[in-house]
Amino acid sequence: AQKVTQAQTEISVVEKEDVTLDCVYETRDTTYYLFWYKQPPSGELVFLIRRNSFDEQNEISGRYSWNFQKSTSSFNFTITASQVVDSAVYFCALSFWYYGGATNKLIFGTGTLLAVQP
Amino acid sequence: DGGITQSPKYLFRKEGQNVTLSCEQNLNHDAMYWYRQDPGQGLRLIYYSQIVNDFQKGDIAEGYSVSREKKESFPLTVTSAQKNPTAFYLCASSIAGGSYSSYNEQFFGPGTRLTVL
Repeated sequence: AQKVTQAQTEISVVEKEDVTLDCVYETRDTTYYLFWYKQPPSGELVFLIRRNSFDEQNEISGRYSWNFQKSTSSFNFTITASQVVDSAVYFCALSFWYYGGATNKLIFGTGTLLAVQP
Repeated sequence: DGGITQSPKYLFRKEGQNVTLSCEQNLNHDAMYWYRQDPGQGLRLIYYSQIVNDFQKGDIAEGYSVSREKKESFPLTVTSAQKNPTAFYLCASSIAGGSYSSYNEQFFGPGTRLTVL
């Protein structure tokens, strides 16, 4: 079964703290993609990063970093020196090839609400 | 500006009424998708379309219908058969549906919040 688990429902931090959002996935496929999206209060999903299953290099983009570990089926997201503008719901998602519909399907986790207090 | 527009932003419906949510894209994307989001839950796929005049059911298609008469447009109708339609609806699009070894990123619209009174 294809599944994404984000065990942290809500996280509250004070500005400038570092915070890590956890994502654990399940898939039988050897080729798949993992994503993080940000959903601010306005509702629109904002793409943050895509990782394919063959690339386990960690990535850093400004204050954001991602740790992909196939051995533990995890794709965790860290925000360094958090800011109030980081407050949002963050979704981890898995894409896999769906032979029944000949398309890629996106499976989302339930999201983590991050509240950054000033 | 290229992107995806959804209208209206907020929609109220009486029980027993059908209602249609609009989704338009000018990205020249072949594939379009509809997702439903409930509080505390992730997005779930309702319907998707890889090409004009063709569409497929997603994971929660019951009580919904779609059409794809034009490449740019993929309206979603929430019918009276949908038992719990109050939710946030997101439309997305991507270039052709991808393959086993590749993935085409989905771009999302701003969403429509539907409330049944």
